[in-house]
Amino acid sequence: AQSVAQPEDQVNVAEGNPLTVKCTYSVSGNPYLFWYVQYPNRGLQFLLKYITGDNLVKGSYGFEAEFNKSQTSFHLKKPSALVSDSALYFCAVSYTGANNLFFGTGTRLTVIP
Amino acid sequence: NAGVTQTPKFQVLKTGQSMTLQCAQDMNHEYMSWYRQDPGMGLRLIHYSVGAGITDQGEVPNGYNVSRSTTEDFPLRLLSAAPSQTSVYFCASSYSNNYEQYFGPGTRLTVT
Repeated sequence: AQSVAQPEDQVNVAEGNPLTVKCTYSVSGNPYLFWYVQYPNRGLQFLLKYITGDNLVKGSYGFEAEFNKSQTSFHLKKPSALVSDSALYFCAVSYTGANNLFFGTGTRLTVIP
Repeated sequence: NAGVTQTPKFQVLKTGQSMTLQCAQDMNHEYMSWYRQDPGMGLRLIHYSVGAGITDQGEVPNGYNVSRSTTEDFPLRLLSAAPSQTSVYFCASSYSNNYEQYFGPGTRLTVT
């Protein structure tokens, strides 16, 4: 069984401040972990992934995420938020690979000018 | 490359009608998937395919059929639409199981 929890429906952050979007997961075996972003009326865009290797993963648009096996977390972070980062963010997990993903319910990020 | 394309963008059906949502990709990706997105529920996997001629069920397959006769196309069929199938449908493709998925723009389906 696999599941993902995004505990915050909404995250507000001031422009220029660091941002964190939280994700915890439950999966049998080694996890494949992904972050995607969705802008209004658009499909999902890939941000970053962890499959193996370094626990700190760097992705698109200055985002990064840290895989923490002991806490079963994969939080998304960015050192300095931009207004253009405002969007809906999804964490996803699988134990079989990138094509059988379980998605979280999403976190809406609003960056306030 | 056009990437992943989906047609139509919007569709309204009456209960009991059938239709096919089209999905095509021009990236020569082996893997393709269909998801539905409902408010407050994230995306849920309906069906997926690991190559032409091979399909499998995801988390919510009931009421939907798929086939994969070519690498490029992965249509999703609703045989008898129900109001519970009102949703936004996304098709996605990827090069292999270790690579990220590319998503299409979505089809917004309303069943009355």
